[in-house]
Amino acid sequence: DAKTTQPTSMDCAEGRAANLPCNHSTISGNEYVYWYRQIHSQGPQYIIHGLKNNETNEMASLIITEDRKSSTLILPHATLRDTAVYYCIVSNTGNQFYFGTGTSLTVIP
Amino acid sequence: DAMVIQNPRYQVTQFGKPVTLSCSQTLNHNVMYWYQQKSSQAPKLLFHYYDKDFNNEADTPDNFQSRRPNTSFCFLDIRSPGLGDAAMYLCATSRKGGVIYEQYFGPGTRLTVT
Repeated sequence: DAKTTQPTSMDCAEGRAANLPCNHSTISGNEYVYWYRQIHSQGPQYIIHGLKNNETNEMASLIITEDRKSSTLILPHATLRDTAVYYCIVSNTGNQFYFGTGTSLTVIP
Repeated sequence: DAMVIQNPRYQVTQFGKPVTLSCSQTLNHNVMYWYQQKSSQAPKLLFHYYDKDFNNEADTPDNFQSRRPNTSFCFLDIRSPGLGDAAMYLCATSRKGGVIYEQYFGPGTRLTVT
């Protein structure tokens, strides 16, 4: 599976949009981009996934560049409860996930 | 309405003493996974079951085994725990096949080895 690169940590002001980048320059044509988050002492939680089109759900938006080598997860109005580690994962099966190091997002009041 | 249940949440075992962690699910999902997550690290896939078919990751130590007696239950057996096996163990499930099915994670079991 392709590897992903994410910033180690980010801060975001409460109520503002949080934009979390991910590089996956070696992604292959049949690999999806998934985002999960893990709040302290809990199991990871699914956020969103996409192949090449931008996606939006009740939690977030996923913007994938045209060449698919990078993506951005957008939390439109960050709250304190969004403080977590966010993992960007690429997979072509959906069954085997290899987590990268993730981005620790801190939402600041 | 718990969906993926892990018991116990905290487990203490002695060095070299076999230990079993359990996972159950109410989602009727075909695929079940075990991950190991050490402190300040990302989850690492150990193995997964696709129905009854067992799929081991190449770098999973032989010390780790798994059983899935039925769709709802899956067990992680650590035959001779070492101090390096202290970690959070996460169970997850997903529906059968395809790339569009998300994984549902349990709360994890934190294993301490003394």
